[in-house]
Amino acid sequence: KQEVTQIPAALSVPEGENLVLNCSFTDSAIYNLQWFRQDPGKGLTSLLLIQSSQREQTSGRLNASLDKSSGRSTLYIAASQPGDSATYLCAVLYGGATNKLIFGTGTLLAVQP
Amino acid sequence: EAGVTQSPTHLIKTRGQQATLRCSPISGHTSVYWYQQALGLGLQFLLWYDEGEERNRGNFPPRFSGRQFPNYSSELNVNALELEDSALYLCASSFGASWLDQETQYFGPGTRLLVL
Repeated sequence: KQEVTQIPAALSVPEGENLVLNCSFTDSAIYNLQWFRQDPGKGLTSLLLIQSSQREQTSGRLNASLDKSSGRSTLYIAASQPGDSATYLCAVLYGGATNKLIFGTGTLLAVQP
Repeated sequence: EAGVTQSPTHLIKTRGQQATLRCSPISGHTSVYWYQQALGLGLQFLLWYDEGEERNRGNFPPRFSGRQFPNYSSELNVNALELEDSALYLCASSFGASWLDQETQYFGPGTRLLVL
């Protein structure tokens, strides 16, 4: 069964801290992995997409890594800001006839000013 | 470039009624996906349409159905509504099948359905 798990479920940090969010997936036959951000009651904003052949992607203060063999990805947020407060979701894309994103359970991040 | 749009933003129905949710993909995108985000259950894949055809569906009963129109917009219909259908329904689009083209799926703002 294809499952995606995120740890921790919730995280509260003071402003300025660096932090790491974790994502693990059971089926390593992925096409890509994406990190999304979801603000309360809103849709999803794509943050970073890592193709299965890549090891990491960077965008500003965000860095995502991918280790397919171990079924893990991490999202590193540097110098966190209160505006980073949101739910962070990782999603794995499986191809073929499925072509669907399997979403993780999410990490609720609160950055305290 | 306009993003994925969904309507209505909020929908209130009573148990047993039918709900129709609409989605307009990004111009040029041919694939539309529907996801359900129910409280406590996370985001779950519902349906995938491409070129007017249903290509795949998630583990949902047949009362969840939809269609894709020639202009690639899509409708999600939920018949015989139940209380547990209350959720945020997200639509996404991509250019072709996202896994084939290594394309990301772009998400709309969602429709929040409340079943009383």
